[in-house]
Amino acid sequence: KAGVTQTPRYLIKTRGQQVTLSCSPISGHRSVSWYQQTPGQGLQFLFEYFSETQRNKGNFPGRFSGRQFSNSRSEMNVSTLELGDSALYLCASSLREGYTGQRNTEAFFGQGTRLTVV
Amino acid sequence: AQTVTQSQPEMSVQEAETVTLSCTYDTSESDYYLFWYKQPPSRQMILVIRQEAYKQQNATENRFSVNFQKAAKSFSLKISDSQLGDAAMYFCAYRSPLLTGGGNKLTFGTGTQLKVEL
Repeated sequence: KAGVTQTPRYLIKTRGQQVTLSCSPISGHRSVSWYQQTPGQGLQFLFEYFSETQRNKGNFPGRFSGRQFSNSRSEMNVSTLELGDSALYLCASSLREGYTGQRNTEAFFGQGTRLTVV
Repeated sequence: AQTVTQSQPEMSVQEAETVTLSCTYDTSESDYYLFWYKQPPSRQMILVIRQEAYKQQNATENRFSVNFQKAAKSFSLKISDSQLGDAAMYFCAYRSPLLTGGGNKLTFGTGTQLKVEL
């Protein structure tokens, strides 16, 4: 089956602009999580969506937002971009523990979107 | 909040030899999940192995095995018969159970860059 698809793969934006990244999960997966990866801060959790509702949120400013659609596809948006937002943004999809009775749900990652803010 | 520590920024191993990557974590929870992820130059995160805290038996996946010491909060990864394709960044990750708000939020360590030499 198809894996997690993130689009676009690469993006260059100017400070002050906004950007929207997309993530299509594996078919049947209803949980989508987003992570930011930078050399300085490492991998940091942004948020998780399940059934179109944000279930978990990391410690990021309100400029970072997301949403999930009824087909489980998710988008994240960053407004008023700053140079420090340059990063690899990773999306992961999974079943959600307890939903199907499974305890140990594996997260499958996409290849990421490389965002450069200039 | 849980924290994950990987104290080895870089490790090297000769092809066909064995290498162990270290990971420690801090948590007050008794039930949780631990993972090792591999991130090759393509940047896609790939699950290597997982461990449920309530299982005393150490997980194994082919050439990969873990040494899970719950009391010491230690979770090391052993790679046997190292291959050139094992060269990558390895991340240790922690996840809380859903009932305590874990959902699918992963907390990552800072990573260990593994080099495999001929």
